[in-house]
Amino acid sequence: EIVMTQTPVSLSVTPGQPASISCKSSQSLLHSDGKTYLYWFLQNPGQSPQLLIYEVSNRFSGVPDRFSGSGSGTDFTLKISRVEAEDVGVYYCMQSLQPPLTFGGGTKVEIK
Amino acid sequence: EVRLVESGGGLVKPGGSLRLSCAASGFTFSDYGINWVRQAPGKGLEWVSFIGSSSRYIYYADSVRGRFTISRDNPKNSLFLQMSSLRAEDTAMYFCTRGAYWGPGTLVTVSS
Repeated sequence: EIVMTQTPVSLSVTPGQPASISCKSSQSLLHSDGKTYLYWFLQNPGQSPQLLIYEVSNRFSGVPDRFSGSGSGTDFTLKISRVEAEDVGVYYCMQSLQPPLTFGGGTKVEIK
Repeated sequence: EVRLVESGGGLVKPGGSLRLSCAASGFTFSDYGINWVRQAPGKGLEWVSFIGSSSRYIYYADSVRGRFTISRDNPKNSLFLQMSSLRAEDTAMYFCTRGAYWGPGTLVTVSS
């Protein structure tokens, strides 16, 4: 199975400051169809995960443009340009290139 | 609006069985594969099982293979997870998910 490794485990950010989360996969997530099957989710406290970014860099409907995703192959990054209070929670990367779906261990973001 | 709503969770003794359901609405259910993902208390996300749109493709995590059975009823827009030989480590919130869309989850607690 593809192993997803996220860093850091936790992040404390001042409102208005940027934040960055790294995700590395144990093998390339590039499919023969040209797409890279890497996703980012945010799980707010007590809620189910919500999709932020799909296929590395595409913001899902309704996601603020302060969220951006980048990367290729095995190395990926989620950036928040200016963290807001509503961004607290746990961020997960996920691959769907091949079963089983696998998730990173999560990055807990809190506000200073 | 896409909606997924899980039900059927509860308290069950080790070795017992439980059947989870996921009611879907707002999209053509028979066009999509659906996953079950679980989250143990205070832990990360763990994929459990996948069923393709016509039930032709079915996959399980190693941790549940042989004990859990996924199925679907397309005319009734419903997904199921039959869980047997339950263990304490199966205690988790169980989510059904169609990629970008997740239900609120149903809690399964395995305890004597």
